[in-house]
Amino acid sequence: GENVEQHPSTLSVQEGDSAVIKCTYSDSASNYFPWYKQELGKGPQLIIDIRSNVGEKKDQRIAVTLNKTAKHFSLHITETQPEDSAVYFCAGSNRDDKIIFGKGTRLHILP
Amino acid sequence: EAQVTQNPRYLITVTGKKLTVTCSQNMNHEYMSWYRQDPGLGLRQIYYSMNVEVTDKGDVPEGYKVSRKEKRNFPLILESPSPNQTSLYFCASSLGGSLNEQFFGPGTRLTVL
Repeated sequence: GENVEQHPSTLSVQEGDSAVIKCTYSDSASNYFPWYKQELGKGPQLIIDIRSNVGEKKDQRIAVTLNKTAKHFSLHITETQPEDSAVYFCAGSNRDDKIIFGKGTRLHILP
Repeated sequence: EAQVTQNPRYLITVTGKKLTVTCSQNMNHEYMSWYRQDPGLGLRQIYYSMNVEVTDKGDVPEGYKVSRKEKRNFPLILESPSPNQTSLYFCASSLGGSLNEQFFGPGTRLTVL
């Protein structure tokens, strides 16, 4: 079945710098890759998603890239701010149209 | 306000005492799902429902039951809770299935002693 690996598990970056979180997947039939942000004490919230017919998508300071050949996709956050501190989950669909989540990355933005 | 609500938010119980966690959404979504979140394991799907009276197992369904009698409600039932079901539980809903944005509730932290 689909397996989604996410790295790193913890990431600390200086405020204003960029943060990159990487995920790999195993199911070649995967075609939907969402990213969720979970703030402390809250449920996850979708921040960006990408489908397999595009290689990159951007929304203000957030961008996601997808490499279908290598089966990996990445989240890029530029000009990081304190409110970017959270846990981020990547996910991928499998051939049964189920969503499989990665184990999460705790992002710390340092002042 | 469009939202997913869960109750209770916190619950401490003992082994074997049946409990129900309620979930309700006001967005007229067909798809609803339950996840558990454990440290180092991320989010794992317990059960999901594509529509009223249609439910199916996720990746970790053992020890849980669900029902979908109405579109807006999707309760999670633990008939005989055990300590390994101590976890943070999230309900989610989406329009048109899992390959669309899922809206998550605020979570229910369950401790089984």
